[in-house]
Amino acid sequence: AQSVTQLDSQVPVFEEAPVELRCNYSSSVSVYLFWYVQYPNQGLQLLLKYLSGSTLVKGINGFEAEFNKSQTSFHLRKPSVHISDTAEYFCAVSEAGRDDKIIFGKGTRLHILP
Amino acid sequence: DAGVIQSPRHEVTEMGQEVTLRCKPISGHDYLFWYRQTMMRGLELLIYFNNNVPIDDSGMPEDRFSAKMPNASFSTLKIQPSEPRDSAVYFCASSLMGGNKNIQYFGAGTRLSVL
Repeated sequence: AQSVTQLDSQVPVFEEAPVELRCNYSSSVSVYLFWYVQYPNQGLQLLLKYLSGSTLVKGINGFEAEFNKSQTSFHLRKPSVHISDTAEYFCAVSEAGRDDKIIFGKGTRLHILP
Repeated sequence: DAGVIQSPRHEVTEMGQEVTLRCKPISGHDYLFWYRQTMMRGLELLIYFNNNVPIDDSGMPEDRFSAKMPNASFSTLKIQPSEPRDSAVYFCASSLMGGNKNIQYFGAGTRLSVL
């Protein structure tokens, strides 16, 4: 079975500063990894995904994540955040090759400070 | 496509009443998922369907919860009787097997308050 740990429940960061949201996963098999974003009063939407190939994955809104197999991590980064990035970010994992359920982390709330 | 459509967006009810949440998945999608989100427990998978058949309902909290998918374009999640601890945001999501490798598309959610 897979599991996901997001160590930080909240991350405050100043506008235009860089940010990293941490995600570690656990699995005995190959995995697919995802970051989803939830803006206030909305459902989740996909930010980026890692299936295979290049370990650096670029997503929407200037976000990117790096898959590190040895450290079982998939941290999300953005070099310069904006007020509009205020949201909750969820890391998720699924078993590679399966099309059904994915396991979500508990989320990290990103607060952008003016 | 209009995306995943959930109704109602907000539901306020009294303890003991029956509550029915509705979901219309994206046309052509063959997986449908029901989630519950609370501050304490985060996002929990309750049940999911493949081609209208329930595959895994191990996340359904108790017998008061039931879900159906009578056809490919409609699903319901019913709570009977409702309790205050059921207060949460309930999300429906759908996905398409194979093509996009587990990308789930979420509805806007139903915020349920049980008084």
